[in-house]
Order: sequence, then C-alpha cells, then structure tokens
Amino acid sequence: GQNIDQPTEMTATEGAIVQINCTYQTSGFNGLFWYQQHAGEAPTFLSYNVLDGLEEKGRFSSFLSRSKGYSYLLLKELQMKDSASYLCAASDSNYQLIWGAGTKLIIKP
Amino acid sequence: GAVVSQHPSWVICKSGTSVKIECRSLDFQATTMFWYRQFPKQSLMLMATSNEGSKATYEQGVEKDKFLINHASLTLSTLTVTSAHPEDSSFYICSASPGEAGIQYFGAGTRLSVL
Repeated sequence: GQNIDQPTEMTATEGAIVQINCTYQTSGFNGLFWYQQHAGEAPTFLSYNVLDGLEEKGRFSSFLSRSKGYSYLLLKELQMKDSASYLCAASDSNYQLIWGAGTKLIIKP
Repeated sequence: GAVVSQHPSWVICKSGTSVKIECRSLDFQATTMFWYRQFPKQSLMLMATSNEGSKATYEQGVEKDKFLINHASLTLSTLTVTSAHPEDSSFYICSASPGEAGIQYFGAGTRLSVL
C-alpha cells in the first residue's frame, strides 16, 4: 500500500534549527512535496524534490533520498511565525499526491 | 504567480440547503483541480479530482450525488454540497495544478457550518 510517515509533533526554540523527517512508500514516484499549513488556513507550497539531494530556499531546505524513500525539511533561524503544521506529500505514478498526516511544529521563545 | 482564489471563505447555512463553492486559478490554466476536506486537527482528505471538460473522479466513500463537481473551464471548478447536513460541516479546500510536476496550489479554503 501507499504510506507517508512523519512525526506528529515537534518542539523547537526560536532561532534554532529543526529537521522534520518524512518516509514514504508509493506505487511509483514522481516527487516529494512539502507544504506549510497554519492553523485554520489552507496549505502553502514550500518545496518540491524529484532528484536526490538538497534544495535550499532561504531559511528552508528540503532533502530527498529516493533509494531510502526518505525526505526531510530543514528550517533554520526559526521564527515564531514558523509555528505551523508541515505536510509531506509524495506523488505516485499517476501524479496523485499521497499526504502525510502533518507535523505540528511548536516554536518556543 | 500561481494564485488560486476560493469563494466564499465562510458560509453558514440551514440543514437541507445547497452550497456552492468556487475555485479559480487566477494566473495560470489548471489542467487538474482537486477538492479536499479537512476536519479539525486532521490531515487533508482528498474528495475528488477533476479535469476540465470531463467528469470528476471521486475517492472511495465520497458520494458523487451529494458533492457535485463541475470543471467548466481551465480556470474554474465548483463544488456544490447538496442538501447539506450538520455532519457536512468542515473546512473545504480546493487546489489547482498547472501540470508542472504535479505541484498543487491551494485556495484559501471555505469553512462550512451547517445548522
């Protein structure tokens, strides 16, 4: 079957770095997405990886290892506004997104 | 770029009435649009996928006669919740994909409360 695993909740300190991991199993693979979702709002697109390696975009970076079925989202210089849920989603052979349940990130001062 | 507009953002209706939600891609043509439902503190649940000019593909367990989807153009899809009941109260979110790598861009969502 198809499955996405990511931690339910993480806590980090303002100014620090946090890594949110995601493992996936899909029928075929056409890329891995990360979305940010603030409470009560719709998700916003953060990143897309289809090749192995690290993609850096400002304070956020996303890594993919296709052979391991593994990705992580790295957030640097954490700010209070980064408190949100982070959704991992893998695109299968039909380009359908298989969604993880999301990781709630709590930032403490 | 890649802006998706969803309207209305919030609606309250009486049980038994129908509610229409619009989803528009403002600056790109969406080959595919998606409709999701999300209950509090739960993950996104895909309801249906629609391609312009063809019938929507509904996920298992989603009643196609209750949740009518129309994708009349490459920039507009509508979801009509027919004869809404309190258990239909939820956060409905649309997304649109321009076709590049399957990236989905989300509307702001519609919070539906059925009394």
